[in-house]
Amino acid sequence: SAVISQKPSRDICQRGTSLTIQCQVDSQVTMMFWYRQQPGQSLTLIATANQGSEATYESGFVIDKFPISRPNLTFSTLTVSNMSPEDSSIYLCSVVANEQFFGPGTRLTVL
Amino acid sequence: GQQLNQSPQSMFIQEGEDVSMNCTSSSIFNTWLWYKQDPGEGPVLLIALYKAGELTSNGRLTAQFGITRKDSFLNISASIPSDVGIYFCAGHLKDSNYQLIWGAGTKLIIKP
Repeated sequence: SAVISQKPSRDICQRGTSLTIQCQVDSQVTMMFWYRQQPGQSLTLIATANQGSEATYESGFVIDKFPISRPNLTFSTLTVSNMSPEDSSIYLCSVVANEQFFGPGTRLTVL
Repeated sequence: GQQLNQSPQSMFIQEGEDVSMNCTSSSIFNTWLWYKQDPGEGPVLLIALYKAGELTSNGRLTAQFGITRKDSFLNISASIPSDVGIYFCAGHLKDSNYQLIWGAGTKLIIKP
């Protein structure tokens, strides 16, 4: 398995601002993902964070809104840009280490 | 996107009762995974299934990979208060690389 930490654990932000979420893994992993979980819903994949190249985004998610960095095999950031109340969600980092494991999530509230 | 059909959506049970939930799909899956999510936490992997017909236990939890590869169930025996939470099934489709397909979740509530 892998131990995944995320910062911040939660935040309350104003409309129009941006927030960068950090994900740190305790071992080198090839595959790292970012998910969104809206209140009372299941998980939706935002993108795959690729080390050394641009992230691969799923349908409905774009780089301008959710820029992602992956400078090495243990770290990634997701930025939620120009936030609106509809962006209020839990954002989860996930990695594959034999199976898929998840970080504790970042609970974002946009006012 | 495509989802698994997970049922029931929620369950209210007495402590000590057995619990059963399942996921079905019209598509064939290579892997079935069961996760539990507590409030304020990320999903935690409970059981992973890799072969049709496979039956795997983890303590009081038992899960099976359906023979048709289109379904899976999770049973919890003798439920206790810490079993409360949301249980998700997820799977990798046949011929898929990494993307997990998710069920909508089963919320388990235990009456003391």
